[in-house]
Amino acid sequence: DAKTTQPNSMESNEEEPVHLPCNHSTISGTDYIHWYRQLPSQGPEYVIHGLTSNVNNRMASLAIAEDRKSSTLILHRATLRDAAVYYCIFHWGNSGNTPLVFGKGTRLSVIA
Amino acid sequence: GAVVSQHPSRVICKSGTSVKIECRSLDFQATTMFWYRQFPKQSLMLMATSNEGSKATYEQGVEKDKFLINHASLTLSTLTVTSAHPEDSSFYICSARESPSGGAGGEQFFGPGTRLTVL
Repeated sequence: DAKTTQPNSMESNEEEPVHLPCNHSTISGTDYIHWYRQLPSQGPEYVIHGLTSNVNNRMASLAIAEDRKSSTLILHRATLRDAAVYYCIFHWGNSGNTPLVFGKGTRLSVIA
Repeated sequence: GAVVSQHPSRVICKSGTSVKIECRSLDFQATTMFWYRQFPKQSLMLMATSNEGSKATYEQGVEKDKFLINHASLTLSTLTVTSAHPEDSSFYICSARESPSGGAGGEQFFGPGTRLTVL
């Protein structure tokens, strides 16, 4: 069962920042927060992950609340190619043998 | 990043036939691969965990005799849908992490998916 809560859908204008929220109140101290996205008819694509500190990479930024019970994925300038379903997942960080379990995610629409 | 491939990308078959889907890690070794299924407008559902050289672990409700998984090498896992029926029509996606530890909290790489249509 999904343990994260995300809005079903969000909409953004092109070239504007997007903040995608995620609640994960049952997260434990060793769980990493992962974000993946899935474009139509494709497999999921890694976006970013973190443990406690905020993280930045070329795709996005991840802001993690101090109590780690929520996080926000930030797309600094949305493009039409960012239209996808975004999944927030927390996962035990000490084993590569356990799978990611997907919730329903947030469907992001980007308007030109 | 690492690449996971799937073959075929799309398959159409008649009811009652068996279909094999291959999942390969192209530039890394994976002792563990995962198989997911996705129905239209729904999220990915984990079907099974495939372990190299041993039996797969299936999620509750997934029939192991219907969905045969073989992980014969560190770069190849196969999913065979036996006696496929229209309700098995779905998007099948495999995934893997690098071995041995995969990196704590590290990236899980996904294949592009295989769309199965059973007539």
